[in-house]
Amino acid sequence: SQQGEEDPQALSIQEGENATMNCSYKTSINNLQWYRQNSGRGLVHLILIRSNEREKHSGRLRVTLDTSKKSSSLLITASRAADTASYFCATAPATALIFGKGTTLSVSS
Amino acid sequence: DVKVTQSSRYLVKRTGEKVFLECVQDMDHENMFWYRQDPGLGLRLIYFSYDVKMKEKGDIPEGYSVSREKKERFSLILESASTNQTSMYLCASRITDSGANVLTFGAGSRLTVL
Repeated sequence: SQQGEEDPQALSIQEGENATMNCSYKTSINNLQWYRQNSGRGLVHLILIRSNEREKHSGRLRVTLDTSKKSSSLLITASRAADTASYFCATAPATALIFGKGTTLSVSS
Repeated sequence: DVKVTQSSRYLVKRTGEKVFLECVQDMDHENMFWYRQDPGLGLRLIYFSYDVKMKEKGDIPEGYSVSREKKERFSLILESASTNQTSMYLCASRITDSGANVLTFGAGSRLTVL
């Protein structure tokens, strides 16, 4: 079934650097969401961007959406060790959200 | 603070056992979902429920059933557990007309079938 695909699969950076993750999807959407998952835990909603928006900010997070390319990016600025987690994009072609396989981010101090 | 609670964080069961995974939400949400998460495969939808006594198959319903007798509780049932059902199971809920499909997840139940 249709899903978002995140890129890269894994990302390792130093504290203070920026982290960028990308998501591509296949069909038209109403909105695209990003979630975070700490190791062994459930997912937590981070940010939602609607199809008529191009960019959205929340604290150190910046999300962009390009519907013509069917892609989105999540930028985490000034990364901290506590940002170490897996990040998933999600879209909803129907009722249920479809998740990508995620990007695993490691931030070392 | 709104919550989705999965009663068991870790379970170890034997092949052939019947397994119940319980999920309770306190947000009066109509929609509830069960996903399983496996390395390299991401999250896959097993079943979801629009409302009490209503259920819909997701992408991988084989080997599973669900029960939604009360609005706040959504149970996932493995009628006869098999080793390939060893996985992390995630429950989530959502209000129907949020306009945004934002899910609230539980902490997950890690099931090992021996």
